Amino acid sequence: EAQVTQNPRYLITVTGKKLTVTCSQNMNHEYMSWYRQDPGLGLRQIYYSMNVEVTDKGDVPEGYKVSRKEKRNFPLILESPSPNQTSLYFCASSDRGPTDTQYFGPGTRLTVL
Amino acid sequence: AQKITQTQPGMFVQEKEAVTLDCTYDTSDQSYGLFWYKQPSSGEMIFLIYQGSYDEQNATEGRYSLNFQKARKSANLVISASQLGDSAMYFCAMSSPLINSGYALNFGKGTSLLVTP
Repeated sequence: EAQVTQNPRYLITVTGKKLTVTCSQNMNHEYMSWYRQDPGLGLRQIYYSMNVEVTDKGDVPEGYKVSRKEKRNFPLILESPSPNQTSLYFCASSDRGPTDTQYFGPGTRLTVL
Repeated sequence: AQKITQTQPGMFVQEKEAVTLDCTYDTSDQSYGLFWYKQPSSGEMIFLIYQGSYDEQNATEGRYSLNFQKARKSANLVISASQLGDSAMYFCAMSSPLINSGYALNFGKGTSLLVTP
């Protein structure tokens, strides 16, 4: 089954404790991205990756890191989480370009205390 | 930056009736894609329908159709024969190419649809 998986689905952590949210897709997609969703703001792009070892900033990259060492995986790293990073995070992938449908993972609900 | 506007924060519709969710966009790009996603209360993002900027015919997917008016820069979603399971948040999104060969997917703030019996 074609899918995008994220782990963990729910996470409660404390300020400053490094964490990683994993994302994996089994569709051999080249393009992957991370979004955060906040009430009243819709979804905003954090980082994206056009292919292995190619990543770039989206609209709200501050406080986040990503890596793309393998085509299928695109982890999101919060080196020192802060309460303003409490949000619902989505990973998405698509085949290549802007006209290809993005498929979303189930979401990770993060709370930073 | 590209901008997507959904002017209806919330909508009600009676079961079996049709409903139109509005979406307007602002772009100077010639090539772009328009998408609608559904987000039920469980939180996942479900792809509904896609319209390319060069597509001359309006996209349709089952009960969903996209009323694409390029000159007006609007891409309204029409849901025919509403069902109770259609109650959800609906997001309009636009993708457009970036100068570094990447692309951005920008979302509107969403419309909450409630289908009543």
